[in-house]
Amino acid sequence: IQLTQSPSSLSAFVGDRVTITCRASQGISSYLAWYQQKPGKAPKLLIYAASTLQSGVPSRFSGSGSGTDFTLTISSLQPEDFGTYYCQQLYSHPLTFGQGTRLEIK
Amino acid sequence: EVQLVQSGAEVKKPGESLKISCKGSGHSLNIYWIGWVRQMPGKGLEWMGIIYPSDSDTKYNPSFQGQVTISADKSINTAYLQWSSLKASDTAIYYCARLARSSGRYGGADVWGQGTTVTVSS
Repeated sequence: IQLTQSPSSLSAFVGDRVTITCRASQGISSYLAWYQQKPGKAPKLLIYAASTLQSGVPSRFSGSGSGTDFTLTISSLQPEDFGTYYCQQLYSHPLTFGQGTRLEIK
Repeated sequence: EVQLVQSGAEVKKPGESLKISCKGSGHSLNIYWIGWVRQMPGKGLEWMGIIYPSDSDTKYNPSFQGQVTISADKSINTAYLQWSSLKASDTAIYYCARLARSSGRYGGADVWGQGTTVTVSS
């Protein structure tokens, strides 16, 4: 299963609403996770089961979608939200990742 | 604290063998699956495969099948990733990550190791 994220990169202001999309090449129900990775660090789980917020993750992060189209939204961008965001499908092996979306703060 | 602690950075020559480790701390790996992820310099995350340490059930990404071996020793709460003959193109950071499985499906990878940097150069 291939995952295509868009955009590949974006730049936004603090306070902006930011949306990243992930499209699967076939239906994956709600078996999708989102991760944030900062430079030099391991990825961090933000969302699983497409829309469930991982414990400890700020509520400004949310996820939606099912089937083939998914969205990660940051409701009010904060300076610490820079990094690269990845989606991952957990529906079938191999558990593939999207190519990543690099988010910069203007 | 629940952690996955990976072995240290390695510098190897092409053709050499290598085995890196991922040890569970503060939790038992026997009720989780452990996945391995490659990140080549400046690139994205690539899923390599996954193992269930309790019974060593292993599933490889076809792109990595035959190139690496994933194993585990449940008695010491540790998973491994190994190469029999390294190539320069194996230069990357390798992460292990913990996944739960319920009703036949996996949740997200909620605990990650700190990464092991492998450099292969003559």
